[in-house]
Amino acid sequence: KQEVTQIPAALSVPEGENLVLNCSFTDSAIYNLQWFRQDPGKGLTSLLLIQSSQREQTSGRLNASLDKSSGRSTLYIAASQPGDSATYLCALLNSGAGSYQLTFGKGTKLSVIP
Amino acid sequence: DADVTQTPRNRITKTGKRIMLECSQTKGHDRMYWYRQDPGLGLRLIYYSFDVKDINKGEISDGYSVSRQAQAKFSLSLESAIPNQTALYFCATSRQGPGETQYFGPGTRLLVL
Repeated sequence: KQEVTQIPAALSVPEGENLVLNCSFTDSAIYNLQWFRQDPGKGLTSLLLIQSSQREQTSGRLNASLDKSSGRSTLYIAASQPGDSATYLCALLNSGAGSYQLTFGKGTKLSVIP
Repeated sequence: DADVTQTPRNRITKTGKRIMLECSQTKGHDRMYWYRQDPGLGLRLIYYSFDVKDINKGEISDGYSVSRQAQAKFSLSLESAIPNQTALYFCATSRQGPGETQYFGPGTRLLVL
């Protein structure tokens, strides 16, 4: 069974700082890895998706990397802004006999202080 | 208009009552999912459906049932609600293929007294 761990559980940084969120997983037999953002009381928004064959993806100030051999992914946020404050979730799409399920980490709650 | 909608957005009910949560999507996706989110436990998959005739149990299906009435509609039922089903429930959709990603609804906050 896939297990996904996100460290730290919470992070507080001053505005303008660059930061890294970490995600580790136990089963490298994945189709893809996604990073989501969740604002309080709201649904999830997909930020970046990395295919199993890819090493990284970039979107604006966000860069996500994937290292299947070590079972790790990172989400790098450059020049953080107060609007980046949210919970960030890592999720992996696994394949197996008859299954095709997305497994989530518990998230990192980010606070960017003005 | 939102691509994935959920009704109701908030619901308070009593133990033993039957509850139905509804999800509709206008994205034309074939796959739909129901998750619940609990503090400290993250999101867990309840049921998923790859097309109208396909229903699969997820990690925590006990106490729940689903119906895929049409490609665009997927409902979740709690036949006899209990307090530990108090949670935030999300519906999601995806289209099969490379780069498949899931799109989430806004969630339904359910409180079972």
